[in-house]
Amino acid sequence: EVQLLESGGGLVQPGGSLRLSCAVSGLTFSSYAMSWVRQAPGKGLEYVAGISSSGGSAYYADSVKGRFSISKDNTKNTLDLQMNSLRAEDTAVYYCAKGQAESTYWGQGTLVTVSS
Amino acid sequence: DIQVTQSPSAMSASVGDRVTITCRASQGISNSLAWFQQRPGKVPKRLIYEASALESGVPSRFSGSGSGTEFTLTISSLQPEDFATYYCLQHKSYPPTFGQGTKVEIK
Repeated sequence: EVQLLESGGGLVQPGGSLRLSCAVSGLTFSSYAMSWVRQAPGKGLEYVAGISSSGGSAYYADSVKGRFSISKDNTKNTLDLQMNSLRAEDTAVYYCAKGQAESTYWGQGTLVTVSS
Repeated sequence: DIQVTQSPSAMSASVGDRVTITCRASQGISNSLAWFQQRPGKVPKRLIYEASALESGVPSRFSGSGSGTEFTLTISSLQPEDFATYYCLQHKSYPPTFGQGTKVEIK
């Protein structure tokens, strides 16, 4: 059974940092690109960042470029999202997803709240 | 970036109604489109992949069609559990882009 389990969400002040992690099991993690998608309260889905299967290439939405960094550890089967200089508008549920998020495999999500 | 325009943004329908939701891509994406259903507080659930392939376990009242730039999701006979928000996602090229969502509400 494929499982994706996010962790690391929480309350952080504006300007602060947070690191999200997604533990993946049940598939050959090193064979797949992975993605982070977020959903602000009451809003739609937004693609945030993606990384190639090897971890060698990454993509970032303009809204997070220069502040967020995605990484993939194919030895530990984990996907991370380092989030710096957080803003109120980064408040959202963050989901990790297999591939370019077109997959059926998504995590349960972790809530990030940026507030003073 | 490829823009995806989804319509309508919201609709009211009754149980038993036929419902159609449309996504239009700003350039051709072949069949690289998926449809998701999201109930309040839940994780998006994939219904359709490759524009028209039905996800295993998804009721056959859901169907997808289209190729290139225009795509539709059809629910042939709306059921109470289908009241939710639906999103399309193009994944032909980076960045993948979601439609704005369609909220299907009870009339």
